[in-house]
Parts: sequence; structure tokens; C-alpha cells
Amino acid sequence: DVKVTQSSRYLVKRTGEKVFLECVQDMDHENMFWYRQDPGLGLRLIYFSYDVKMKEKGDIPEGYSVSREKKERFSLILESASTNQTSMYLCASSPQSGSLRSGTQYFGPGTRLTVL
Amino acid sequence: AQKITQTQPGMFVQEKEAVTLDCTYDTSDPSYGLFWYKQPSSGEMIFLIYQGSYDQQNATEGRYSLNFQKARKSANLVISASQLGDSAMYFCAMREVNAGNNRKLIWGLGTSLAVNP
Repeated sequence: DVKVTQSSRYLVKRTGEKVFLECVQDMDHENMFWYRQDPGLGLRLIYFSYDVKMKEKGDIPEGYSVSREKKERFSLILESASTNQTSMYLCASSPQSGSLRSGTQYFGPGTRLTVL
Repeated sequence: AQKITQTQPGMFVQEKEAVTLDCTYDTSDPSYGLFWYKQPSSGEMIFLIYQGSYDQQNATEGRYSLNFQKARKSANLVISASQLGDSAMYFCAMREVNAGNNRKLIWGLGTSLAVNP
């Protein structure tokens, strides 16, 4: 089974702090994704990565950065946390192959971040 | 325009009955995949079922089946014999193979399902 883990289930930070959210997958997937989820807004893609050191902006990258130094690990960084970044953060991974089904994303348990 | 539309924000079903969750999609790409996920209150997104645009038969996975009507661009999830543990948010998503970025999934806003005992 695919296993995606996230460093924390719940996190409370203060405005202005630098926040690191870590995600690790054990299935050798090429693609990794960071989403945020807010009530009524569904899942919104922040950043994704298709290879080590490669990244692309998603739909809402402002205020975030990412790092992928190893294939299995994808980090989301809030350089200076703000209250409007209070949200549920979900990490996912997917394999890269020619089949349509390879787009299946597998998710971690999520991190509920509160910025005070 | 929304590419994935889930018109039912909330649904109720009696335990042991079947329920259909609607999903319509909009794409001009002939090669696409459709996915359904379940999100219980714990927060984790769980992959349920997949349907490819070229698949001739409707996908089935246990109690989950997908009513795929390509001409109508709908991919409704059918849950048979509902259980209390089926109470969750359900999301429909699509991947367009020939899109500029074909690694992304396009998500609907979800349907909240409550199973009543």
C-alpha cells in the first residue's frame, strides 16, 4: 500500500513565524503535491513537484515556497505565517507513467494548521 | 467555468440503501481520467474508484460503482448498501492527459453524505 506521511496532524503557530510542513512518501512516486483545503473552497493546489529539485506553482502559491531535495520528501514552507494561512494542508503523491490511471493521487493524513 | 461540478452540497441516505452522488465534467480532451475520493471527518483523502475515458465498462470497486455516461459528461458515484461509515465528504476529480500540465487533478467542491441509522 502507498504510504504518505505528514509531520504533524495539528500545528499551532504565531503570526510571522516560519513554518515547515513535511511530507514523505514510500512508493517512489515522481510527483508530489501540496494542497490547502478550506470550507466551501474545496482543494486548492499550492505547489507540486515532478522530480527532485523541480517544482511548479499551483493555483495559489503566494505566501508559500517548497523544497524537494530527495525524491521521497516534499516540504511546504510558510516564510512568515499569517492568520489567513490557517487551514488544512494535504500532501499527495502520484506515479508518473503513460497510463491514465497513473494520475491517481495518494494522500497523507493532513495537517491542521492554526496561525494565531 | 467549472470543469468539475458536484451539484449536491449535502445528501442523506438511510443505512443499507443505495445512493448516487452526481459529478459532471467539462473537457475537450479525448483522453482523461475521472477519480472519486472519500474524506471522512478525520481529514484523510481516500481514493475510491477510477474511470478512464476509453474504458468500455463502468468501473466497480466493491460497493462503489461509477455510472459513466460519456456523452452526457457525467461520472456519478453509486454506493450500494450504505453503511454508517460511509458518512463523509466525497470529491470527484479529473485528469486531462493532453493538458498543459497533465499531472494535476481538477477537483469538484464535494458532496457531504450523511448515512442515517
